[in-house]
Amino acid sequence: RKEVEQDPGPFNVPEGATVAFNCTYSNSASQSFFWYRQDCRKEPKLLMSVYSSGNEDGRFTAQLNRASQYISLLIRDSKLSDSATYLCVVRGFRGAGSYQLTFGKGTKLSVIP
Amino acid sequence: NAGVTQTPKFRILKIGQSMTLQCTQDMNHNYMYWYRQDPGMGLKLIYYSVGAGITDKGEVPNGYNVSRSTTEDFPLRLELAAPSQTSVYFCASSYDAAGNEQFFGPGTRLTVL
Repeated sequence: RKEVEQDPGPFNVPEGATVAFNCTYSNSASQSFFWYRQDCRKEPKLLMSVYSSGNEDGRFTAQLNRASQYISLLIRDSKLSDSATYLCVVRGFRGAGSYQLTFGKGTKLSVIP
Repeated sequence: NAGVTQTPKFRILKIGQSMTLQCTQDMNHNYMYWYRQDPGMGLKLIYYSVGAGITDKGEVPNGYNVSRSTTEDFPLRLELAAPSQTSVYFCASSYDAAGNEQFFGPGTRLTVL
């Protein structure tokens, strides 16, 4: 099983649609979880952290299920500007007081007018 | 604040040539990282540093070297370029060891022919 696995996409959705991305991770000792956004030919940027109780930031909702080792991102009322690749990122302890982020391959979203 | 800056933006190397990818951050972050991103793949950690004078290997360190003489700078050295090193290289920094948010530079697109 790959360390962090995501729906490969691409997801092509009309403006205003709701779209959900899924992610699974293999290391049950993983400690923190994030969604990063990467625009075409640009650097990744943090979209939001994912908390055990679930969290919302405007049109974006992230959820975590530790028992199933599953993370999700829901985008409501999609905008053209949401078109990007969404990276699922998991943080684990690598020893000697340091941590490592493991990145999924990303899910590409295209929002169509 | 410029954040994380990288030079050059693009480079074409011949097999066997050497080069240094520059990375500078002005956020006074102790933690810095080098990643590579191959097409359709997740980011892979090459090297990281927890402070000036301290560096350690990531997942894919072979063929690369780093140094960290100052808090601001974290250059990545390719000694004998190979086609397998064709990739996009991202430098990142974070405030703490947990790396809860990593700030990425704009990337260097390297082609080895």
